Order: sequence, then C-alpha cells, then structure tokens
Amino acid sequence: NAGVTQTPKFRVLKTGQSMTLLCAQDMNHEYMYWYRQDPGMGLRLIHYSVGEGTTAKGEVPDGYNVSRLKKQNFLLGLESAAPSQTSVYFCASSSRSGTGELFFGEGSRLTVL
Amino acid sequence: GQQLNQSPQSMFIQEGEDVSMNCTSSSIFNTWLWYKQDPGEGPVLLIALYKAGELTSNGRLTAQFGITRKDSFLNISASIPSDVGIYFCAGQLVNTGKLIFGQGTTLQVKP
Repeated sequence: NAGVTQTPKFRVLKTGQSMTLLCAQDMNHEYMYWYRQDPGMGLRLIHYSVGEGTTAKGEVPDGYNVSRLKKQNFLLGLESAAPSQTSVYFCASSSRSGTGELFFGEGSRLTVL
Repeated sequence: GQQLNQSPQSMFIQEGEDVSMNCTSSSIFNTWLWYKQDPGEGPVLLIALYKAGELTSNGRLTAQFGITRKDSFLNISASIPSDVGIYFCAGQLVNTGKLIFGQGTTLQVKP
C-alpha cells in the first residue's frame, strides 16, 4: 500500500519556467491538500480539495494552480516559477474533514534559480 | 492571522532523558494533533486529541489537550536515537475549522 506518492522528488527550475507536481493517493480519500514547508514557518496550506472536480484556496495560494480531475490525483502547478517558491512541497490526504488527521507524502524539493 | 507558538524551537538531549514541548495560542481549538517528521520524509501523525483536558498516550509519548483549549503539550519519556526529527503541533480552530501548524521543534538525541 503506497499511501500518498509525490513526483518528482526533486526539481530545479529557472525563474519563469513552469512545472507540475503530481500527487497520487491510493486510500480512496476525499480530501487532498498541498502544503509548503519553509524553515521556521511550519507547514502552510496552498490549496486543497474536498472532492473530485473541486478545489479551494488555502493560506498562500498566489502563484500556484491546482486541479483534481480524478479522485486519486491532485496536481499542483507553477505557471511562472519565482525564487520565492523555492521550498519543500508536501501533498496530504484525509478521509474525513474536520479531524486534522492527514497522511502526507514524502515531499518534493523545488529550487528556483 | 492566527498563530501557534511552538517551543522550544530545538532541543539537544542525551539518550534516556525525558523531553517536553508545547504549543500555545490566543485562539481556541477543537482539535490538537502532534506530528513527527523524520529527515527527508513527510510528517506522520503521532497523537490526536479531541476534548479539552484529554490526556492520551502512544507508547513513550504522552500528549494533553489544555483545559483552556488554547494549548497542548507533548512529552517523550526515556528518549532513544530514533526519536530524532521535527515535531509539529497542529490545531483546528473552533471558529473557522482551519488547521494550522506550529513552527516545529527539532529534536536531536545524543547516544
């Protein structure tokens, strides 16, 4: 049972380039989330989804877009990468809303030069 | 915006020692959770607390949901080298349902 899988694990971009991070979960969870982790700042929510075909903004959504075309997949896109988006990105899923019980992927380290 | 203040920021202890960390806020929460992140991995849920005053244990870990609903603590007894990592508290706000994370406590254990 793979749980939550993120690809790629590492990526280096130049400013202005675009890319997509893929998150896949095999637990049939309704809720999926994208967080970024920066030193000393904990985890901050970028976007989330409460079900297939739905997305919503989190705490720090600017510069990112997401899509949830299939229940098991949640994509995070950067249309024009900026150095401020250098971070470690975590996808998470949960079976229930309102509990905070999240299953996280292993993370994707993105560097924007 | 709402914040969780997690302390200490880092700890360097001897194997066998007990560890205590806490999270405080001016906001009220209906859920408190503690996660651990091993190096190079994603966070993993350790303990979830749903009632004010609740005290829950998971092996050598004990966590409490503060009676004021504004704080929580995590204790680790008899630390071992595999306890190394970053510990995050997370709380779900009563007024918005939003889940927010503390800044993390980095724990290092000296064998």
